[in-house]
Amino acid sequence: EVQIVQSGAEVKKPGESLKISCETSGYNFNTHWIAWVRQMPGKGLEWMGMIYPLASDIRYNPSFEGQVTMSADKSISTAYLQWTSLKASDTAMYYCARHLDTAMSSLAYWGQGTLVTVSS
Amino acid sequence: EIVLTQSPGTLSLSPGERATVSCKASQSIRSNYLAWYQQKLGQAPRRLIYGASTRATGIPDRFSGSGSGTDFTLTISRLEPEDFAIYFCQQYGSSPYTFGQGTKLEIK
Repeated sequence: EVQIVQSGAEVKKPGESLKISCETSGYNFNTHWIAWVRQMPGKGLEWMGMIYPLASDIRYNPSFEGQVTMSADKSISTAYLQWTSLKASDTAMYYCARHLDTAMSSLAYWGQGTLVTVSS
Repeated sequence: EIVLTQSPGTLSLSPGERATVSCKASQSIRSNYLAWYQQKLGQAPRRLIYGASTRATGIPDRFSGSGSGTDFTLTISRLEPEDFAIYFCQQYGSSPYTFGQGTKLEIK
């Protein structure tokens, strides 16, 4: 059974750094794309980008490139999303989700989300 | 970037009624790479439909998807109480993959 468990809620101050995680199990982590999706309070879903762990191939949405960094640790089947300097506008729920099979496939399995709150 | 526009923004219906949600793309979506997701309050989205018309595993057959090119539709044939939620379409044929703004299905 595919399982995706994300790290817990975070409260940070502007300018701080943060790395949230997405731990997976029940399938071959190396050969499936993992996407990150942002949902700002009361708003819709935004695709931030995706990572293919085996090749460390990363494709960012241009709207998010340079603002966040995606990475993966194959040894523990975990993907990460990190910020070096948070802004209040980064306050949102962040979901990781596994693509069904190829890069051009739907988001079949979702984590429960990590709520990030950035406030002074 | 492909822009997806959903309509209506809010749909007020009663259990047992039929719901129809539209998703229009700013350009043709390759190979009908269009999915529908359901999101309930406080929960992660759940995939309902992919490839425009294929139901995901475990999704009741009252949910159906149709369309091609730039016009797609999600239909719920007879609404159950648990279907009242927000629905999003997403295209995954052209990066960056994009979502519609969402349609809230509420109880009338």
